[in-house]
Amino acid sequence: QKEVEQNSGPLSVPEGAIASLNCTYSDRGSQSFFWYRQYSGKSPELIMSIYSNGDKEDGRFTAQLNKASQYVSLLIRDSQPSDSATYLCAVNKSGGSNYKLTFGKGTLLTVNP
Amino acid sequence: EPEVTQTPSHQVTQMGQEVILRCVPISNHLYFYWYRQILGQKVEFLVSFYNNEISEKSEIFDDQFSVERPDGSNFTLKIRSTKLEDSAMYFCASSRSAGELFFGEGSRLTVL
Repeated sequence: QKEVEQNSGPLSVPEGAIASLNCTYSDRGSQSFFWYRQYSGKSPELIMSIYSNGDKEDGRFTAQLNKASQYVSLLIRDSQPSDSATYLCAVNKSGGSNYKLTFGKGTLLTVNP
Repeated sequence: EPEVTQTPSHQVTQMGQEVILRCVPISNHLYFYWYRQILGQKVEFLVSFYNNEISEKSEIFDDQFSVERPDGSNFTLKIRSTKLEDSAMYFCASSRSAGELFFGEGSRLTVL
């Protein structure tokens, strides 16, 4: 079983729509969850972090966490062409204090003008 | 806004040569990391470093790899004898706490 799984996409949405990105993880003891955005040829850029069950909103972005289902998602409202990128889900595995992140392969999002 | 800086941005080397990749983490961060991403693949953890020692390393981080913090600002990754399969983008990252890693722009390593 893959540690962090994401639908590779591509996910294509029209400008102004809501984009929904999903991620599941295998380590039930995972404590911290992150969404990174990666433009082609660039480094991962932190968008959101979430640590508790429920929703967390930041501007157009909402992260949702359900630890019982081992599921985390990212909603992007009012999607813009500039949101077109690969979105990486990352999970901090349980144990230790070194905050090692395990990444999924990412979902490619395309926002069409 | 503080950022992680990496040099060089691109290095081409011959198989068997030594390579050193350099990073300057964000100044008040305490945890430092190297990750790599082979073209088209996922970001993979290599090593984490805290309090002047390695805190965790992956299976990828074998005896050919080493890290060092030679002074108060730099954090380096050395590959002793490069192999073709070491060709990748290498990302340095740092964090203060809580796992929010901030990545540098990366160093692309091409091994011929």
